[in-house]
Amino acid sequence: ELQLVQSGAEVKKPGESLKISCKASGYNYLSSWIGWVRQMPGKGLEWMGIIYPGDSIIKYSPSFQGQVTISADKSTSTAYLQWSDLKASDTAMYFCASHRYGAFDSWGQGTLVTVSS
Amino acid sequence: DIQVTQSPSTLSASVGDRVTITCRASQNTSNWLAWYQQKPGKAPRLLIYKASSLQSGVSSRFSGSGSGTEFTLTIKNLQPDDFATYYCQQYNTFSWTFGPGTKVEIK
Repeated sequence: ELQLVQSGAEVKKPGESLKISCKASGYNYLSSWIGWVRQMPGKGLEWMGIIYPGDSIIKYSPSFQGQVTISADKSTSTAYLQWSDLKASDTAMYFCASHRYGAFDSWGQGTLVTVSS
Repeated sequence: DIQVTQSPSTLSASVGDRVTITCRASQNTSNWLAWYQQKPGKAPRLLIYKASSLQSGVSSRFSGSGSGTEFTLTIKNLQPDDFATYYCQQYNTFSWTFGPGTKVEIK
């Protein structure tokens, strides 16, 4: 099972850029799909996108296509989620998770992103 | 996109009860359905995958059933640690959708 450790909480202003990370260990990172999930305050879970680091195949939810960029670094076993123009509505907890058999079986601890002027 | 609904949205139960949560998909998802438990401030925890397969380390008090468009999560002998929010999630060809969640509260 993959272990995932995410970067720490961030406080940003509207219009700023941000890149958060998800470092994997304990399994074959290159043959695992890593997804990103958003949870807005007091709300449910939303799938944002997923990446296969071995081939850099990326799939986005239509709701997030063009709003965020997902990437991965093979050499550091790290996946990333980035924004170029943050909005207040991006305030949320963001989770990375590994994918097997149609489900997300191992989760990072979450990164809280707060966007406020 | 496949839409997913859950019922009930809130469930009040007592320790020792047997509870059932239902998840419905707008299209046939075969058995690509998972269930998660989430507690406040924590990451979700996978309980069931492929509709009825118990994730390693999860208590056998949890079970899943169903196929196609209707699925259920059953928790037997509800324990204090089980009071949480439960989400179902469907998978269909590079598209994942979570249900809105069911909060299991102490009666």
